Amino acid sequence: QSVLTQPPSASGTPGQRVTISCSGGSSNIGSNTVDWYQQLPGTAPKLLIYSNDQRPSGVPDRFSGSKSGTSASLAISGLQSEDEADYYCAAWDDRLNGRVFGGGTKLTVL
Amino acid sequence: EVQLLESGGGLVQPGGSLRLSCAASGFTFINHAMSWVRQAPGKGLEWVSGISGSGGTMYYADSVKGRFTVSRDNSKNTLYLQMNSLRAEDTAVYSCAKELHQRRYYGMDVWGRGTTVTVSS
Repeated sequence: QSVLTQPPSASGTPGQRVTISCSGGSSNIGSNTVDWYQQLPGTAPKLLIYSNDQRPSGVPDRFSGSKSGTSASLAISGLQSEDEADYYCAAWDDRLNGRVFGGGTKLTVL
Repeated sequence: EVQLLESGGGLVQPGGSLRLSCAASGFTFINHAMSWVRQAPGKGLEWVSGISGSGGTMYYADSVKGRFTVSRDNSKNTLYLQMNSLRAEDTAVYSCAKELHQRRYYGMDVWGRGTTVTVSS
């Protein structure tokens, strides 16, 4: 069981906006920043968002992140078929003294 | 080109040991903390260990604490993971990842393709 909680699945149609939630606690999301990763089938994860809402260069602005209290969200607007992937949130946990990941959300583009 | 290349995986019996390596290139290695992340077959990502840029501070997941040791040789731009007392549940693809900061862990922007570790008799 993961320390951070994500819905196991999400879906949307092309052009739609979808959000993926990530719920944690005071020792992780509540006191540290959140990062988000996209993992396409058979490939290494890719950093999408760091420091809650910052995009690395090259990541389209269709991807955005936010955080409030002990929860965070990843929003994908203008959904495209190539966005079909697994998405993971992560944060540092002060109590565990290590990084923790969410269980991952499989996004399906219908 | 920024690149990470893992090696050292393989088949090992329960209770055995392996040492993984991660060769880094294309960036100033000492300026970045590094992490090991694993993914069991059909499962999600699990952070295993992290080490600061200087190598002076190491962190471990509870699941590997006392069995795994992370280290780095900044003169060789190489990260290591010594894995002892291996268990079946350690079976996974192990990837190294470059952290954005030298000491803090808030984003892994470069990942290797991983090396497969299988623990089985």
